[in-house]
Amino acid sequence: NAGVTQTPKFQVLKTGQSMTLQCAQDMNHNSMYWYRQDPGMGLRLIYYSASEGTTDKGEVPNGYNVSRLNKREFSLRLESAAPSQTSVYFCASSDAPVYEQYFGPGTRLTVT
Amino acid sequence: GENVEQHPSTLSVQEGDSAVIKCTYSDSASNYFPWYKQELGKRPQLIIDIRSNVGEKKDQRIAVTLNKTAKHFSLHITETQPEDSAVYFCAAGRRALTFGSGTRLQVQP
Repeated sequence: NAGVTQTPKFQVLKTGQSMTLQCAQDMNHNSMYWYRQDPGMGLRLIYYSASEGTTDKGEVPNGYNVSRLNKREFSLRLESAAPSQTSVYFCASSDAPVYEQYFGPGTRLTVT
Repeated sequence: GENVEQHPSTLSVQEGDSAVIKCTYSDSASNYFPWYKQELGKRPQLIIDIRSNVGEKKDQRIAVTLNKTAKHFSLHITETQPEDSAVYFCAAGRRALTFGSGTRLQVQP
């Protein structure tokens, strides 16, 4: 099992450009999450999907959109990137909302 | 929403000593309290978790205690080893998790 996979691993964007971060899990989990981690800080929840067909805002949703494409895949879109969105983005999945979360390897995004 | 505070931000101990990290939370409805370990450049990984109907849980050298009345929970690591050096995060929630800001633990050989 690959667990949780994310693409790309690294990305550099210019201010105003858009991109989509992809996440997939092969553990048949119901819940999926997107976090950002800024240097020296904890993880902040951007959006989550408690089950297929549902999405909810987390702590820091502004500037982002998500799509739960199917049970396996959960994508994060930046419509107009800003330097404040420079961060490491982690996707995670769990069997249910408050069960162990398994994290992907992360995407390091730099916006110049 | 939930607010989680974590202390200390850095902790340095000698190999073999114990380490304690403390977290407080604000939402009395939170019922799940995991602890994650993150090594440099790696993804966070769960090391232990506790639910609100349990006061203490232990797994070998690691233990977590929960005080629901005071709304705080703690991670205890005994007989620390150099490979315990990492950043540790607490979290709390009942539908989505709110993470603390992390504790950088350094175990000196």
